[in-house]
Amino acid sequence: DAGVTQSPTHLIKTRGQHVTLRCSPISGHKSVSWYQQVLGQGPQFIFQYYEKEERGRGNFPDRFSARQFPNYSSELNVNALLLGDSALYLCASRRGQGYSAFFGQGTRLTVV
Amino acid sequence: AQKVTQAQTEISVVEKEDVTLDCVYETRDTTYYLFWYKQPPSGELVFLIRRNSFDEQNEISGRYSWNFQKSTSSFNFTITASQVVDSAVYFCALSDLTDKLIFGTGTRLQVFP
Repeated sequence: DAGVTQSPTHLIKTRGQHVTLRCSPISGHKSVSWYQQVLGQGPQFIFQYYEKEERGRGNFPDRFSARQFPNYSSELNVNALLLGDSALYLCASRRGQGYSAFFGQGTRLTVV
Repeated sequence: AQKVTQAQTEISVVEKEDVTLDCVYETRDTTYYLFWYKQPPSGELVFLIRRNSFDEQNEISGRYSWNFQKSTSSFNFTITASQVVDSAVYFCALSDLTDKLIFGTGTRLQVFP
């Protein structure tokens, strides 16, 4: 079975631009979460979706948004990119609430 | 507020040495979960273990073992007979019933041949 897949793996954007990151969960998993990992830090929670509904949001500005599709895949959108948005963005999937989270390889975003 | 502290920023050992990675957590919840993840240079977080707050039994999986002590709010991870392939950043994490993971800052383990 395929694990969590994220695309693209690397991305370079200019300040002020918009970016969309994509995540496909493990087959059968209905919950997707997004995390931001700045270099040298632990991942920080951004969003959690379960059955296409937002179930949690971390302390991130409104420039960050996400959604989950009927096939349980998910997109993370970031508007008006800042240099500080440069990070590794990780997607995690769970079978459901209370289950362990499994992570993808991440999308490394560089804002210049 | 929930918090995870990994006081060891970096540890270096020689192959075959045993090494323990420390994790101390803070939470007011009575039901919570503790995790360890491994992050190799490729970036992917690899799930290692999940324990719930009601199960204080220590666990051993091959060369890996975990010591959960509620009395000291610690969930330490020991690698026995370390190998070069164990070199990575290791994260301890805590979650409540919302499944939101709170990570520590990680411990970078370098195993030299």
